[in-house]
Amino acid sequence: GQNIDQPTEMTATEGAIVQINCTYQTSGFNGLFWYQQHAGEAPTFLSYNVLDGLEEKGRFSSFLSRSKGYSYLLLKELQMKDSASYLCACMDSNYQLIWGAGTKLIIKP
Amino acid sequence: ETGVTQTPRHLVMGMTNKKSLKCEQHLGHNAMYWYKQSAKKPLELMFVYSLEERVENNSVPSRFSPECPNSSHLFLHLHTLQPEDSALYLCASSQEAGGGGSPLHFGNGTRLTVT
Repeated sequence: GQNIDQPTEMTATEGAIVQINCTYQTSGFNGLFWYQQHAGEAPTFLSYNVLDGLEEKGRFSSFLSRSKGYSYLLLKELQMKDSASYLCACMDSNYQLIWGAGTKLIIKP
Repeated sequence: ETGVTQTPRHLVMGMTNKKSLKCEQHLGHNAMYWYKQSAKKPLELMFVYSLEERVENNSVPSRFSPECPNSSHLFLHLHTLQPEDSALYLCASSQEAGGGGSPLHFGNGTRLTVT
């Protein structure tokens, strides 16, 4: 079956760096998305990776290794507003999105 | 008004009630989606519409009935729901259905409680 694994919850300190991992097993691959969802709000798009390597967008970076079925989201210079759930989603060969259950990130002062 | 708008934000209904959720997108997208989000579970795709035609129905019970009158509006009609249907219902849109790196744009969702 198809599956996405990501940690349920992580805690980090304001100003620090945190890496949220995502591993996937899908029938084919057409890219991987990361979304951010604050409590009670809509998920918002963060990044899309379809080729191996690191994509940087300001404080956020996303990495993909297709051979390992692995991605991570790296958040630098953490701010309190980064407290949210981070959703990993992989697009399979039929362009269907397979979602992880999300990682709740708690930022402490 | 921009983005994806959902109403109502909160809904409490009894198992014998009939209600509808509404979604409107102002992004000029061609595809619209209904997702169910339950605590600590992955998003569950319910329905996909592309250019007002339903292209996906993921074995959703018939007590959920979608309607897409045009490319900007999407409804989810609810009747005789069960308590386990209590969840956050998210509407989303994208430029095209299933297209490569086209991201989803979500509404804030309707928090549904079935009593």
